[in-house]
This record gives sequence, structure tokens and C-alpha cells, in this order.
Amino acid sequence: ENVLTQSPGTLSLSPGERATLSCRASQSVSSNYLAWYQQKYGQAPRLLIYGASRRATGIPDRFSGSGSATDFTLTISRLEPEDFAVYYCQQYDKPPWTFGQGTKVEIK
Amino acid sequence: EVQLLESGGGLIQPGGSLRLSCAASGFTFNNYAMTWVRQAPGKGLEWVSTISGGGANTDYADSVKGRFTISRDNSKNTLYMQMNSLRVDDTAVYYCAKDSPKWDLLPIDHWGQGTLVTVSS
Repeated sequence: ENVLTQSPGTLSLSPGERATLSCRASQSVSSNYLAWYQQKYGQAPRLLIYGASRRATGIPDRFSGSGSATDFTLTISRLEPEDFAVYYCQQYDKPPWTFGQGTKVEIK
Repeated sequence: EVQLLESGGGLIQPGGSLRLSCAASGFTFNNYAMTWVRQAPGKGLEWVSTISGGGANTDYADSVKGRFTISRDNSKNTLYMQMNSLRVDDTAVYYCAKDSPKWDLLPIDHWGQGTLVTVSS
């Protein structure tokens, strides 16, 4: 299976700052079938990015995704208070679908 | 508006069985694969199983293979997960999720609110 490793585990930042989250795959993800999700405490995940760089419907443009093959990045250009949450990457290239272990973005 | 409403979770003893249901609305159910994802308390997301839109194709995580069975009733717009031989490490919130359409490869784009399964004696 394709193991996804996210870093850092926790990111401590202030509102207005830029957040850069990394997701590294153990095998190449073809056609960039890589997604990012946001999960707030007690809530279901929400799709942010798919196809490595395409924003899902209704997602603000401060969220952007980039990367290819085995290295992917989620960037939040300027953190808003509602952006403090846990973020997961997921590959949907080959089953089993796999998720990274998550990066928590917390208020500094 | 897409809605996914899970039910059937609860407290069950190790070795027991449980059936989860997920009632779907707001989209053409049989056009989409459906997936169960679980999340143990304080842990990350774990894919459990996926079923194709017509129901003919299924996939399972190794951790549940042979114990869990995914199925769907397209006439009722409902997804199921039959969970047998439950273990303590199956304890988790189970999410029902709308997966890829027949005509493309897209990720999960909608999730239910989840149902908690607790396996404990």
C-alpha cells in the first residue's frame, strides 16, 4: 500500500500567518490523485483540494495545493481563526485508499 | 444538497455483530461508489471499505477483510456495513462517504456525521 507521511505533526502559528503542510508518498501517485481534507474537532472531514491542486466547491482561495508524484504541499496563505484544525492528505490512485496521519494547525 | 445519515452504532461486546446503515439523499445514488472510513478515538482516518455504484465490486482493508461486509440497496438509497467478530480495536467513529462517480476518478467529497461503535466488555 502507498504510505503517506505528513509533516510536521503540529504547526503552531498565529492568525494571518502562512501555513505550509507536507505530504510525502512512499510510491508515486499517478495523475496526481491526491486530496486534502480539513477536520475540526467533533466534525466530519471536509474536502479542500483534489487532483493535488484543484479547490473543491466553496473552498476559499487562500487554500492551495501543489506537488506531484511523491511530494505534495497544502498552503494556507493567511490563516483565519476558522482554519485551525487537523489536515489530512489522501491518495485515491490505487486501493487501498490511504490517508496521512494528519497535521494539526494550532494557534500559537 | 447531499445528505448522508448513518445509524446503527452502539456498544457491543467483543465477538459480537453490528450492522451500520447510511441513508443517502441529494444525488443519484447508484452513480457513485460509496465508502466507509473509520476514526478511532484521538486517531487519524482509516479507509475501511468501498463498493461500486452497481454493487458488483467491493474492496476491504486488510484489518477488516473476512469480518466486515459492505453492501448497498440502490432502490432504497442506502449503504450498509455488516460487522462480525468485532474486536476492541474496531472501536471508532464510522463515517459513510460519497466516493467516485462511475465516469471519473474523484475523491470522497461528502461525509456523514459518523456513528460511534464501541467494542468493549
